[in-house]
Amino acid sequence: AQSVTQPDIHITVSEGASLELRCNYSYGATPYLFWYVQSPGQGLQLLLKYFSGDTLVQGIKGFEAEFKRSQSSFNLRKPSVHWSDAAEYFCAVGEQTGNQFYFGTGTSLTVIP
Amino acid sequence: DGGITQSPKYLFRKEGQNVTLSCEQNLNHDAMYWYRQDPGQGLRLIYYSQIVNDFQKGDIAEGYSVSREKKESFPLTVTSAQKNPTAFYLCASHLGQAATEAFFGQGTRLTVV
Repeated sequence: AQSVTQPDIHITVSEGASLELRCNYSYGATPYLFWYVQSPGQGLQLLLKYFSGDTLVQGIKGFEAEFKRSQSSFNLRKPSVHWSDAAEYFCAVGEQTGNQFYFGTGTSLTVIP
Repeated sequence: DGGITQSPKYLFRKEGQNVTLSCEQNLNHDAMYWYRQDPGQGLRLIYYSQIVNDFQKGDIAEGYSVSREKKESFPLTVTSAQKNPTAFYLCASHLGQAATEAFFGQGTRLTVV
């Protein structure tokens, strides 16, 4: 069965520090992978996506993610966090057929000055 | 601008009442989804529709109903049979083709009083 695991429920980083949010997935074929961000009381906004090709993908707001097939991972990174990055982050897998999406339980990011 | 509109943003319901949440999209997307979000549980799929006049149950469909009479619209009714309806509800749409992402509305927070 398809599943997405985000092992870190909550992460706190200092402003200006680097960030890595972990995501592991279980999927029978090559997955389509996504990272979304959610501010409190808002919908989800797409940060970046991976479908094929270069395993390091760039997204909006200075985020990047790397697909590692051998580790079934798609970790999100940012070299220098800004206070405005405080939010909930969701990793998701999309089916190649069937149009279903599977979401992790999210990682809440707190940024301290 | 194209997008997904959910209304209302906040909704209060008395116990025993049915209530309908609106979701409209002008992205010309074939697929639409309803998710429920509770703290620490990520997004759980309630219902989805891949084409007009057709929809399927998701993981937590009990106590909910939907219709898809128009491509643009996918309303969700929370019935009195839903035992714990207080939650944040998110509507999403998808082009219906592989290797594309889901787009989300801004959500409706439903509170039972």
